[in-house]
Amino acid sequence: DTGVSQNPRHKITKRGQNVTFRCDPISEHNRLYWYRQTLGQGPEFLTYFQNEAQLEKSRLLSDRFSAERPKGSFSTLEIQRTEQGDSAMYLCASSLAGDEQYFGPGTRLTVT
Amino acid sequence: DAKTTQPPSMDCAEGRAANLPCNHSTISGNEYVYWYRQIHSQGPQYIIHGLKNNETNEMASLIITEDRKSSTLILPHATLRDTAVYYCIVRVSPKAAGNKLTFGGGTRVLVKP
Repeated sequence: DTGVSQNPRHKITKRGQNVTFRCDPISEHNRLYWYRQTLGQGPEFLTYFQNEAQLEKSRLLSDRFSAERPKGSFSTLEIQRTEQGDSAMYLCASSLAGDEQYFGPGTRLTVT
Repeated sequence: DAKTTQPPSMDCAEGRAANLPCNHSTISGNEYVYWYRQIHSQGPQYIIHGLKNNETNEMASLIITEDRKSSTLILPHATLRDTAVYYCIVRVSPKAAGNKLTFGGGTRVLVKP
């Protein structure tokens, strides 16, 4: 399968713990996006990379969130000191220079 | 990006055409209309986009009014697998830097046998 992949698919963690998610974009896609989706709502933009450079961050991305794309390929999204309000689906998408975005299946985070 | 308005839900019969409306009265001249859909427990999936002219691909047709203030996504022969939330999104040129997608509430479409 050459689509966008995300791991893990599900993560349950206790409040206060740190979690890290990984996204592997479609090969050769230079843009990578992270979105968050809560139940019943549309996805909300968090941040985006062009190659390894993080070019835009949403105000939703608090100081507890950090994203990296060290070699311009896969990306990680880390949440430190998780809160119950962080429970959501975290979606990754990739695109080639502004063409349509292809989404992965998402990582569902539950903070207990 | 311009705001869009969609009905929250609609039903359609299997095998019939599904017409999904979207209002975007504040759209700018350089903004495109994009449609994505999200099947339950999956990530959003690109369907189609257009600027001024009507567009058709293997999934759907997009009809944009002459004043560009509204559009309709047409699924010509709805199947049960088309049950999903459909998002109408207005965005600037796809070649622009960044170009994040701004999702609204979408239309929850239920295709019934």
